[in-house]
Amino acid sequence: EPEVTQTPSHQVTQMGQEVILRCVPISNHLYFYWYRQILGQKVEFLVSFYNNEISEKSEIFDDQFSVERPDGSNFTLKIRSTKLEDSAMYFCASGRDGRETQYFGPGTRLLVL
Amino acid sequence: AQRVTQPEKLLSVFKGAPVELKCNYSYSGSPELFWYVQYSRQRLQLLLRHISRESIKGFTADLNKGETSFHLKKPFAQEEDSAMYYCALSGNQAGTALIFGKGTTLSVSS
Repeated sequence: EPEVTQTPSHQVTQMGQEVILRCVPISNHLYFYWYRQILGQKVEFLVSFYNNEISEKSEIFDDQFSVERPDGSNFTLKIRSTKLEDSAMYFCASGRDGRETQYFGPGTRLLVL
Repeated sequence: AQRVTQPEKLLSVFKGAPVELKCNYSYSGSPELFWYVQYSRQRLQLLLRHISRESIKGFTADLNKGETSFHLKKPFAQEEDSAMYYCALSGNQAGTALIFGKGTTLSVSS
């Protein structure tokens, strides 16, 4: 059964550095999402992406964040200048038509020092 | 405000006992409701959604619009049900965000 994959599984970075988190959605899916979960807190929506543009974003998704689908398979989340409070598990998800189930990747655990 | 509330952080039951994981929501409109489950060291996966009205792994959930609830139930818990359970809602537009509750850890012991 096809699955969403994410790389890396863990990333440690210094405050102020740029990080790129990568996701490969399920191949026939058209809607892509990023969520994050700070340790001990709820899973929070960051952004959704369809037809090569952002369709919805949360208040968390400020100017330091960006998303891109650089080719036909990858979907990336870039954090331009990381802060300590960006330390979290970041989940990518994809969905076939936007109304059906969102399928989640295993997550990337980001630690900002 | 759009919100999902799961009042219990941890629910511990014995094998064979009934289970009810509570979920209440606040949403202006007609949301879609979901239960996601995360087993140890595994990814978040959909358990069930209210529109399908299915029973998955013996779990059921009924949407009660009057009480704005979507509680998850199982008559006889199994040890393999031990996991983190998240209630979530979304609007019914395409590509809309999932709003999650904080999750309830279900621990089933023998």
